[in-house]
Amino acid sequence: AQKITQTQPGMFVQEKEAVTLDCTYDTSDPSYGLFWYKQPSSGEMIFLIYQGSYDQQNATEGRYSLNFQKARKSANLVISASQLGDSAMYFCAMREKGSQGNLIFGKGTKLSVKP
Amino acid sequence: DGGITQSPKYLFRKEGQNVTLSCEQNLNHDAMYWYRQDPGQGLRLIYYSQIVNDFQKGDIAEGYSVSREKKESFPLTVTSAQKNPTAFYLCASRTGTLQGISPLHFGNGTRLTVT
Repeated sequence: AQKITQTQPGMFVQEKEAVTLDCTYDTSDPSYGLFWYKQPSSGEMIFLIYQGSYDQQNATEGRYSLNFQKARKSANLVISASQLGDSAMYFCAMREKGSQGNLIFGKGTKLSVKP
Repeated sequence: DGGITQSPKYLFRKEGQNVTLSCEQNLNHDAMYWYRQDPGQGLRLIYYSQIVNDFQKGDIAEGYSVSREKKESFPLTVTSAQKNPTAFYLCASRTGTLQGISPLHFGNGTRLTVT
């Protein structure tokens, strides 16, 4: 079974609008971390935001916020005020306790921002 | 500037030849990782190393080998035993402190094509 599921292969959003990228995860470990990365066409992976399983509040980093719903095991990324430079692949990833730092990645969502 | 350098960016090899991908970091990170990315797929873990002179297999280690003789360097060899070596290879590192929440920092990747 997949541990990280991203159900949207591709998404379109109008410039300046907000967009939500979905991510659900599967773990029986009570201690885990969730990460979002951005991969532009150039290939590098850029860390965006982190949410710990025990964090009481949703994480925010500038225009990025994480809608963390623990009971539903979802960790959706919200990008506000989309910009053309936000067009990229977005990956959700999870680290379980005892994984020695390894991240398990979803298959990604390709976001295209329209002018 | 601190970072992770992967070289070369593009690599072409004939089938049956071994090839070594370079990964160097000057972030003073303890842990280093190799991931493979195929089109439309997330990243899959090949090998990782928590300290010098020690490394562990990831999910898809068959046909690959690594060494960790120096803290800064974690080269990956793609051997002729790897059945489908054509892929995008990403190297990453992570600090040993704040283990749960520290993100992986990635290099720019090497795109390997084997014909």
